Amino acid sequence: DSGVTQTPKHLITATGQRVTLRCSPRSGDLSVYWYQQSLDQGLQFLIQYYNGEERAKGNILERFSAQQFPDLHSELNLSSLELGDSALYFCASSPSGGGGTEAFFGQGTRLTVV
Amino acid sequence: GQQVMQIPQYQHVQEGEDFTTYCNSSTTLSNIQWYKQRPGGHPVFLIQLVKSGEVKKQKRLTFQFGEAKKNSSLHITATQTTDVGTYFCAGDTGGFKTIFGAGTRLFVKA
Repeated sequence: DSGVTQTPKHLITATGQRVTLRCSPRSGDLSVYWYQQSLDQGLQFLIQYYNGEERAKGNILERFSAQQFPDLHSELNLSSLELGDSALYFCASSPSGGGGTEAFFGQGTRLTVV
Repeated sequence: GQQVMQIPQYQHVQEGEDFTTYCNSSTTLSNIQWYKQRPGGHPVFLIQLVKSGEVKKQKRLTFQFGEAKKNSSLHITATQTTDVGTYFCAGDTGGFKTIFGAGTRLFVKA
């Protein structure tokens, strides 16, 4: 158990809909990262938050947004969903805001868009 | 943009054979990390390399960081079925963003 909790584990929704994925980082970790992993593909970095502030942005679509709350949990909002958004979405946390520190991954949320 | 290329994409080995995956960056890395993702699981941190030319070992796993800090490798000696999974390298260029390679998926036949 990495200590990072993601909910829900599975999500099935229709095209055009909006969903929210939730992540609770390890206790004490200030950074939260979101990654997308399509079937049998690598990890695509979406966005990083550090202590409530956006720290780095990757290949995140404009239809996607995220935030980190004062209690450090984070939410990833995906809107106007398309079939191609079906993927495994991982959240990871680390103690510091800099890169190059060990990241602890949650179990992921598997999103299926039908 | 900054890229981290990882090869091969897939590798099939017979149990007992060795396995190596390579990671190459288009820019100099301040450090590199390696993760393992078991089928159906999430990535798990294995190790971090920071120094030029650094070599670290974990039992049958040997990790190397190139002299120019642009490439890295993971070598597994005498693979076992428990080594099955996808191995990712993740490079940090000194900013806040860690760039993952696409991963090498290892299949081990008993």
